[in-house]
Amino acid sequence: EAQVTQNPRYLITVTGKKLTVTCSQNMNHEYMSWYRQDPGLGLRQIYYSMNVEVTDKGDVPEGYKVSRKEKRNFPLILESPSPNQTSLYFCASSPWDSNFGYTFGSGTRLTVV
Amino acid sequence: AQRVTQPEKLLSVFKGAPVELKCNYSYSGSPELFWYVQYSRQRLQLLLRHISRESIKGFTADLNKGETSFHLKKPFAQEEDSAMYYCALQSGSEKLVFGKGTKLTVNP
Repeated sequence: EAQVTQNPRYLITVTGKKLTVTCSQNMNHEYMSWYRQDPGLGLRQIYYSMNVEVTDKGDVPEGYKVSRKEKRNFPLILESPSPNQTSLYFCASSPWDSNFGYTFGSGTRLTVV
Repeated sequence: AQRVTQPEKLLSVFKGAPVELKCNYSYSGSPELFWYVQYSRQRLQLLLRHISRESIKGFTADLNKGETSFHLKKPFAQEEDSAMYYCALQSGSEKLVFGKGTKLTVNP
């Protein structure tokens, strides 16, 4: 089944403890992206990647890092999480032809205490 | 800069009534517009693409470049249509800008 897989689905952590949210897609998509979803703010792009080793900042990149060492994987790294990063995170991927739209993962609900 | 505006945070209709979810955009280029839907506690799913001019689950959306709008319409709403709906504008494949979403509730 073609899909975007995120792990974990739920995560509670403490301020300052480094964490990684994994994202993997099996559709050979070139584009991958991370979004955070907050009430009243909708979805905002954190980082995106156009291909292996090519990444760039989205609208809200502060406090996040990403890497794209393999085409299928696009992990989101929080080096020192803070409570304002408590949110619902979505990974998404898209083929080169943007008319197909993005396929989203199931989301990761992160709570930083 | 591109921007997507969904003026209604909440929209409530009765089953069988027509529904229209509004979306306006701001973009200097030729837009690629989408509607995504998110059912309760589920992932976002692509509902419609303007380029394909398709009808999915009875929903349609027409791109009006003069009014810079891409409203989503359905003639007869069903209870299972209750969800969050997001209009999105894609500028190149790397950037998908979302509106803040409209929560549609279809009452029995």
